[in-house]
Amino acid sequence: KNQVEQSPQSLIILEGKNCTLQCNYTVSPFSNLRWYKQDTGRGPVSLTIMTFSENTKSNGRYTATLDADTKQSSLHITASQLSDSASYICVVSASWGKLQFGAGTQVVVTP
Amino acid sequence: IAGITQAPTSQILAAGRRMTLRCTQDMRHNAMYWYRQDLGLGLRLIHYSNTAGTTGKGEVPDGYSVSRANTDDFPLTLASAVPSQTSVYFCASSDSMARMGSYNEQFFGPGTRLTVL
Repeated sequence: KNQVEQSPQSLIILEGKNCTLQCNYTVSPFSNLRWYKQDTGRGPVSLTIMTFSENTKSNGRYTATLDADTKQSSLHITASQLSDSASYICVVSASWGKLQFGAGTQVVVTP
Repeated sequence: IAGITQAPTSQILAAGRRMTLRCTQDMRHNAMYWYRQDLGLGLRLIHYSNTAGTTGKGEVPDGYSVSRANTDDFPLTLASAVPSQTSVYFCASSDSMARMGSYNEQFFGPGTRLTVL
């Protein structure tokens, strides 16, 4: 069983709307959590990185939250644009360095 | 070159053939990694290298080998390809694997799409 579960698997949103992606993890001991954006046919690109002491971090229209107690994270996309169409991957790092990748949420933004 | 490059972009290979996927980075990063990405699964680590001259096994190393003769290059070899190795392969690098669990960010290449028939 994957130690990083993402939901939903996919979603379709209208341009200009907001959406929130979820990530639940069981990785322990926890070091940090990262959100990556992966455009079709490209490699993942880092959006945010948070340690256990950080509960929110923003990168433009992307805002990530982290609740280390409940082992949950979310990625909120504000005022979506067509260029936000991509797969969003949650990655959790254990203290000894191992990275555990979620399967990703495929986001499609339609005009 | 800026960042990480991978070659080829895509390849169709007959089962049983030998194949080497190339990866080069120009960021002088010490650590490099090879992942495979399959539909519905997260990226899985195949092999890694802490620094030039050292390599280690990841989560799914069987059927793959790597070498790290210098800082910049980290080729991945399939000695005798099998259909289950059909996947998208990503190379990544980071400043240091010793700090991999901390804020040390991994930078990914554009990927190689491999099909084994």
